Amino acid sequence: KAGVTQTPRYLIKTRGQQVTLSCSPISGHRSVSWYQQTPGQGLQFLFEYFSETQRNKGNFPGRFSGRQFSNSRSEMNVSTLELGDSALYLCASSLSGTGGVNGYDEQFFGPGTRLTVL
Amino acid sequence: EDKVVQSPLSLVVHEGDTVTLNCSYEVTNFRSLLWYKQEKKAPTFLFMLTSSGIEKKSGRLSSILDKKELFSILNITATQTGDSAIYLCAEYIDNYGQNFVFGPGTRLSVLP
Repeated sequence: KAGVTQTPRYLIKTRGQQVTLSCSPISGHRSVSWYQQTPGQGLQFLFEYFSETQRNKGNFPGRFSGRQFSNSRSEMNVSTLELGDSALYLCASSLSGTGGVNGYDEQFFGPGTRLTVL
Repeated sequence: EDKVVQSPLSLVVHEGDTVTLNCSYEVTNFRSLLWYKQEKKAPTFLFMLTSSGIEKKSGRLSSILDKKELFSILNITATQTGDSAIYLCAEYIDNYGQNFVFGPGTRLSVLP
């Protein structure tokens, strides 16, 4: 079974530009979550999509947005890039996001997209 | 907003040593606590803990949760160089959909 894939793996942009990152979940997984990881802030939750709907959102400005398609693939968009947006962006997929006896559905992470903003 | 604290932030040991990593969390909407290992890029799942006092084991790794004192520990015995990684602790919050709050991680370096 193929794992979570993310494209591109590396990206260099300049301030003010916008960027779109893509995530393909494991086949059959319907929940996709996005995270930003930086040395200073660690891993931070951006948002979660399930069945093409955003179900949860972390504390990030409106410049960060996303969407999910009917095949569960998800994209994340960052507009008006700032230097501080340089980070590793990880996506993770799971079956349902709220499944499981304890409300936990194991997440599988992709390899990430390393975004550098100059 | 819930916060997860890990200690130590960095640890250097020699092969064969036993290490204990600590994680404390806040209780609002707590559902479970998770441990991940991150070596290069993608974190990989280690344990999920929901009940107090029940130890989870996987080979040389074990973990336990104390819901009264709001902390968890991850033990690694007989460490090997392959254990070198960042160990992340995350609190799974009971929101509609998944919401995880991650700690800063403990960077473990195991020297030969």
